[in-house]
Amino acid sequence: GNSVTQMEGPVTLSEEAFLTINCTYTATGYPSLFWYVQYPGEGLQLLLKATKADDKGSNKGFEATYRKETTSFHLEKGSVQVSDSAVYFCALSPQGGSEKLVFGKGTKLTVNP
Amino acid sequence: DTGVSQDPRHKITKRGQNVTFRCDPISEHNRLYWYRQTLGQGPEFLTYFQNEAQLEKSRLLSDRFSAERPKGSFSTLEIQRTEQGDSAMYLCASSLAQHNEQFFGPGTRLTVL
Repeated sequence: GNSVTQMEGPVTLSEEAFLTINCTYTATGYPSLFWYVQYPGEGLQLLLKATKADDKGSNKGFEATYRKETTSFHLEKGSVQVSDSAVYFCALSPQGGSEKLVFGKGTKLTVNP
Repeated sequence: DTGVSQDPRHKITKRGQNVTFRCDPISEHNRLYWYRQTLGQGPEFLTYFQNEAQLEKSRLLSDRFSAERPKGSFSTLEIQRTEQGDSAMYLCASSLAQHNEQFFGPGTRLTVL
């Protein structure tokens, strides 16, 4: 079946540190891959996405590259800010048919000043 | 505000009672999704609609759960004979058909005592 595994948190960083949150997936075919973010007290928001192998999604300084060979979609940011504190979810949408999203468990990031 | 809205935001009920939640999607969106999120987990897919047709249901959606989207606009999710295990955040999302981006509402937090 389809599944997403992401690194467990919580992750605590100082402002301007480098961020990596690992995400690997299991799926048949070529799923679309997503990172969603949930800020405190708010709903889930799409952060970035990639729909085919080697695509790089980017937004707000965050990046993730769709790696088919390693079935990975790791999230990175070169210099985090306090305002990046949130829970980050990696997700996939299976190829064809249903467009339901399959989520990982989420990784809570706290950035300290 | 033209985002996805959900009502109520919080619901506390006693075991055995019935509850109903409402979701209003973004107005031009054809697809509407329901997810459930428990503490420390990512959202899990429950069901989705294209217009008024319910196209897919998860095995998580027991016979105590029913969802409708009678006119292809708002949707309701009803849980009959609630159990403590139903306590969770119920999320609604909508998207345009043929597009993968799902826009999420703020959720309804259900507590079953």
